[in-house]
Amino acid sequence: GQNIDQPTEMTATEGAIVQINCTYQTSGFNGLFWYQQHAGEAPTFLSYNVLDGLEEKGRFSSFLSRSKGYSYLLLKELQMKDSASYLCAVRRNTGFQKLVFGTGTRLLVSP
Amino acid sequence: NAGVTQTPKFRVLKTGQSMTLLCAQDMNHEYMYWYRQDPGMGLRLIHYSVGEGTTAKGEVPDGYNVSRLKKQNFLLGLESAAPSQTSVYFCASNPGAGAVQPQHFGDGTRLSIL
Repeated sequence: GQNIDQPTEMTATEGAIVQINCTYQTSGFNGLFWYQQHAGEAPTFLSYNVLDGLEEKGRFSSFLSRSKGYSYLLLKELQMKDSASYLCAVRRNTGFQKLVFGTGTRLLVSP
Repeated sequence: NAGVTQTPKFRVLKTGQSMTLLCAQDMNHEYMYWYRQDPGMGLRLIHYSVGEGTTAKGEVPDGYNVSRLKKQNFLLGLESAAPSQTSVYFCASNPGAGAVQPQHFGDGTRLSIL
């Protein structure tokens, strides 16, 4: 089976940096995705890690440690529009690009 | 480019009624998926399809049926709706086998069963 854990909710201030953690236990790990989901909207793809290390995309970075079953999403220079849920999803090597999602972390950015 | 389109966006049903949710994608993707999203549960895979004419069960398939008669469309059916099926339903698509690609999601269908 698999288990994916994320904090339920986080708060941060505009302009700050926030780190959202995701831990997972799964067999056949084959990559980890981060999605952003604004309230009432569709999830949208943010980043993907399959090898250990840091992937940077503008204000967003994602890190993976396969040996520790751990990933984080780092958001810099927070803006009000970053208030959303952030979903961690694991891809296994069972094929067909299927994903298993965590319950998501709701981030509230305040002025 | 519309991407993934879901219809309807909202629906209220009575227990025992049936309905079909439609998902259409214009990206020529091979793989398509249906999820449900409930508070505190995250996205859970109901059924998926890896090509025209194929379907397979996901994590929570009971009470649902699907069909993929055309590559661009993936239909989710509820034969006899139950209150436990009140949820937000998301359709997603993926190019298919080969290099890892993210799934692309539709805007969701909010379904209430009374």
